[in-house]
Amino acid sequence: DTEVTQTPKHLVMGMTNKKSLKCEQHMGHRAMYWYKQKAKKPPELMFVYSYEKLSINESVPSRFSPECPNSSLLNLHLHALQPEDSALYLCASSQVPGPAYGYTFGSGTRLTVV
Amino acid sequence: TQLLEQSPQFLSIQEGENLTVYCNSSSVFSSLQWYRQEPGEGPVLLVTVVTGGEVKKLKRLTFQFGDARKDSSLHITAAQPGDTGLYLCAGDGGATNKLIFGTGTLLAVQP
Repeated sequence: DTEVTQTPKHLVMGMTNKKSLKCEQHMGHRAMYWYKQKAKKPPELMFVYSYEKLSINESVPSRFSPECPNSSLLNLHLHALQPEDSALYLCASSQVPGPAYGYTFGSGTRLTVV
Repeated sequence: TQLLEQSPQFLSIQEGENLTVYCNSSSVFSSLQWYRQEPGEGPVLLVTVVTGGEVKKLKRLTFQFGDARKDSSLHITAAQPGDTGLYLCAGDGGATNKLIFGTGTLLAVQP
């Protein structure tokens, strides 16, 4: 298995809703990442988990809450989002923490906040 | 702050044409990667270059890392509609342990 699987593929939520994005990989990768991407722009780093511990938080608002239950799973809990949070949310993983060997990205969750 | 500037920002060409995308920085990177992202998908790693002056070929794609490891280029020969997508260079941010993405080049190849 050489994939990063993200669910759901599309999500529409109201500003008062609570929802979660899920990411899964079975490649034995020990680092996992959340990125946010606006249309035609490069991905922006949000969080990094290294050996299941949060190692980088890029000053992301607390309405985004990451969770890494085990080495294969990464969740992003969403609460009280704003319309400007609408974007493609990408999960990625790497064999070891750090960019030296490249990342494997999932297909993303297209989030629309109404 | 390490920045990677890509040029051109947008490129629309006809099938069969050649093109080059540039990725430039004032910072030295220990390695540099190129990704392609198709609409509705995540970025896919194409190549990693680590040695100054290195050239790697992937079918019709040729990647070069500058001698000083501050810049890179991607050359596509005889472009095809399947090459359409967002091309992203990305550098190893060193001590920050982050992947620094370039500004992106959006390529459209018309049949």
